[in-house]
Amino acid sequence: EAGVVQSPRYKIIEKKQPVAFWCNPISGHNTLYWYRQNLGQGPELLIRYENEEAVDDSQLPKDRFSAERLKGVDSTLKIQPAELGDSAVYLCASSSHQGLGNTIYFGEGSWLTVV
Amino acid sequence: SQQGEEDPQALSIQEGENATMNCSYKTSINNLQWYRQNSGRGLVHLILIRSNEREKHSGRLRVTLDTSKKSSSLLITASRAADTASYFCATAPRGANSKLTFGKGITLSVRP
Repeated sequence: EAGVVQSPRYKIIEKKQPVAFWCNPISGHNTLYWYRQNLGQGPELLIRYENEEAVDDSQLPKDRFSAERLKGVDSTLKIQPAELGDSAVYLCASSSHQGLGNTIYFGEGSWLTVV
Repeated sequence: SQQGEEDPQALSIQEGENATMNCSYKTSINNLQWYRQNSGRGLVHLILIRSNEREKHSGRLRVTLDTSKKSSSLLITASRAADTASYFCATAPRGANSKLTFGKGITLSVRP
């Protein structure tokens, strides 16, 4: 069974430029997460979807970040415009449902460097 | 915000030795989970322990949970060089809108 797939793996952009990350969760997983992980830190939740509905986006900087999950499967996370402080790893994850007794499966991450 | 705090921040041991990592948290939890992250990779789930459990085993891993002290420990027995990674504890607080919150992680180096 394929795991969580993310692309691109690495991205280097200049500040003020836009960037988008794509995620394909594990088949059948209704819950999808986007986390941001800064160097030397643990992941921090940006947004959580239940099917196509964003049920927790309280930590998403809405002035420059946006996300969507059309049809409740794939998801994209966009940053426009990017700032130097956005350099981080953006991790997508999925689980079978939000029940917190379930395992969350992570993708390999998209490594963003803003110069 | 990160609820779980791991201790120590870094640990270096010889292959074959046991590695013990600790996690403390602040609020009441539904469960606590440990994840591993190899350099440049995503996180991999290791083990979940529920609030009504005190100890759990999975292969060479042993996790304990003390809810009175709000702490957990992860023990890796007979460590191998391949165990070199960062280890994170993640807590699932009680509550309808709770979310999994990760600590800053422990960097484990196992010397061959």
